[in-house]
Amino acid sequence: DTGVSQDPRHKITKRGQNVTFRCDPISEHNRLYWYRQTLGQGPEFLTYFQNEAQLEKSRLLSDRFSAERPKGSFSTLEIQRTEQGDSAMYLCASSERSGRRYEQYFGPGTRLTVT
Amino acid sequence: LAKTTQPISMDSYEGQEVNITCSHNNIATNDYITWYQQFPSQGPRFIIQGYKTKVTNEVASLFIPADRKSSTLSLPRVSLSDTAVYYCLVGFVMDSSYKLIFGSGTRLLVRP
Repeated sequence: DTGVSQDPRHKITKRGQNVTFRCDPISEHNRLYWYRQTLGQGPEFLTYFQNEAQLEKSRLLSDRFSAERPKGSFSTLEIQRTEQGDSAMYLCASSERSGRRYEQYFGPGTRLTVT
Repeated sequence: LAKTTQPISMDSYEGQEVNITCSHNNIATNDYITWYQQFPSQGPRFIIQGYKTKVTNEVASLFIPADRKSSTLSLPRVSLSDTAVYYCLVGFVMDSSYKLIFGSGTRLLVRP
C-alpha cells in the first residue's frame, strides 16, 4: 500500500504525559499537512511542510505542540504535557506541490485519548 | 470573516441525485475548491476539485458560479454506500497568511 500511513492508530495517555505521532506521506509528495479533528467537526488545520520547511502554523498549535519533518520525508507531531482537551483524531495528509491546486491524500489518523 | 458553511445533514434515497452546497464568501483568489468524503474512523477521501464553472469526474460533479462564493457538489444516483460526511475545503487569506479551512461537514444519509 503506497498511501499515507500513520502510527499509532490509537493512543491512550494520562494527562501530563508526552506523546509523539508519526506520519509517512506518499513518497513523491513534497507537501505534508497535519490536522486535528474532534467529534462532529471538520478537520482543523494545524501546520504544513513543504519538504523539510514548516511553512505555516495555526494558532491552534500551542507551544506544547511541535512538528518536524527531517529530510523532507516522514513527519512527527509531538504533544507535551497533554491535556484532556487534546483528545482528538490527528490526521496527516500529503500532496504534490502545484500552487493552490492540492489534492491531499489523508492517512487513517491517530486517535488520541487523554485520561 | 473566513468561513465555510454547509448544511448539517441531508437525507436521500437510493438512486436519487444529491446536491450539497458550501458557501465560502471570502475565498482566496486563485484558490481551488476541494470536496472530501469521510466515513467513521477514517481519514477524508478526495472526491473532486475545481476552480470555476463545472468539473465532472467518474463519481461527482462540482458546480462553481462565476463569483466563486459558493460551490455545489452533485452526487448522481446515490447508493447506500454514499452515506458519509462530506466536507468542502477552501483556502482563505487571513492576516496576510494563507489558511486552509474545512467546512463543518454535511452528514448524508441514504435510505433504501
